[in-house]
Order: sequence, then structure tokens, then C-alpha cells
Amino acid sequence: NAGVTQTPKFQVLKTGQSMTLQCAQDMNHEYMSWYRQDPGMGLRLIHYSVGAGITDQGEVPNGYNVSRSTTEDFPLRLLSAAPSQTSVYFCASSYGTGNNSPLHFGNGTRLTVT
Amino acid sequence: AQKITQTQPGMFVQEKEAVTLDCTYDTSDPSYGLFWYKQPSSGEMIFLIYQGSYDQQNATEGRYSLNFQKARKSANLVISASQLGDSAMYFCAMREPLNMRFGAGTRLTVKP
Repeated sequence: NAGVTQTPKFQVLKTGQSMTLQCAQDMNHEYMSWYRQDPGMGLRLIHYSVGAGITDQGEVPNGYNVSRSTTEDFPLRLLSAAPSQTSVYFCASSYGTGNNSPLHFGNGTRLTVT
Repeated sequence: AQKITQTQPGMFVQEKEAVTLDCTYDTSDPSYGLFWYKQPSSGEMIFLIYQGSYDQQNATEGRYSLNFQKARKSANLVISASQLGDSAMYFCAMREPLNMRFGAGTRLTVKP
């Protein structure tokens, strides 16, 4: 059972560089999302998708892009990295969007921007 | 927007004792779901327990139970018989249709 797979686990970028965080799930979940975790702030939603071809912004979308070409994959792109994007990033998915649907998380990516 | 508040940044508990982690929430929706997640030092997010707003009984999962007081809008996590492996960050969360909103978390340390 792979669940939600995120790569890479760690990444260091210089200001202005771009990169893509990969996320894949094998549970046939329609809903996928990206969160960032910062100390004292819990997790905040960056972007989400309710199905292939459908994406939308969350609470903190600036500086990030996403796409959803397949049900399984939901990559997160940092367009021009900034030190404020230093964070731990989590990809998460759920079967639906109902109130009783828990999110299943990947293991996270620790990103440092210098 | 809905809000989740965890007022205890850190908690200590003696091994084998019970501990309660506080969570209050704010919503005007009659239908909602409340969740608790555990984040050990290794970093992964582990789903522990779920409580629906219409559930008549408090949720339980092994040593975890949720003390749900709807009128007070609180959903406290109770861990019985604490173990050293329970040392971790614990997050309370509320499911919105297109988001799961998290509290800031409580760091629990279990002392031997």
C-alpha cells in the first residue's frame, strides 16, 4: 500500500530558482491538496483539486502553481522561490469532500530557500 | 471562516497516565467533521480519530477518545495510559468541503 507518495523528501533552493514537488496517490481519490506547515500556524491550504482537470486556490496560493492531468498525480510548482517559501510541504488526498472524509498525507517535503 | 483553537502549545504527562488535549472550534454550519492527527518527530501526519457533528456518542479508537461537547464547541482528545511513543505534535482539524482547517497544534511529551 503506497498511499500518497511525495518526492523529494528534502530540497534546498536558491532565491529565484524554480522546482516541482511531485505527489502521487494510488487510492483512486478524487480530492487532492497541497498544504504548507509553518511553526505555530498549523497547516494551511495552498491549492486543491476535486478531480482531473480541475484545480483551485486555497488560502496561500501566491507563488505556486498546480495541475491535475490524471487522477493519480498532483504536482506543485514553485515558480521563483523566495525565502518566505521555506516550509514543510504536504500533499494530501481523500476519497471525497464530505465532512467525514479524512485526509491521507504524504510524508512531506522539507524545503529551504536561501 | 471556520477556526480551530488549540490553547496548549506544550503538555507533559507521566507514562501510563491519561492526558487531555484541548480543542475548540468555531462554525455556523450544523454539519461538520472533526479530526485529530498525530505528527511524530519523523514528520508524517497520522489520522487518529473522527467525530461527526451529528454523532450521538463520543468517538473512540483504542486508547484515543474524543470528548465532544457540541454546545461548548469543544472536541478534546483524551489519550489513556500514555506511552513514550505518544510523544508527538497533535493537531485538531475541521473538515470543510474543499479544505481541512487545522489548529496550531499541541506538543505532547511523555515522561518515563
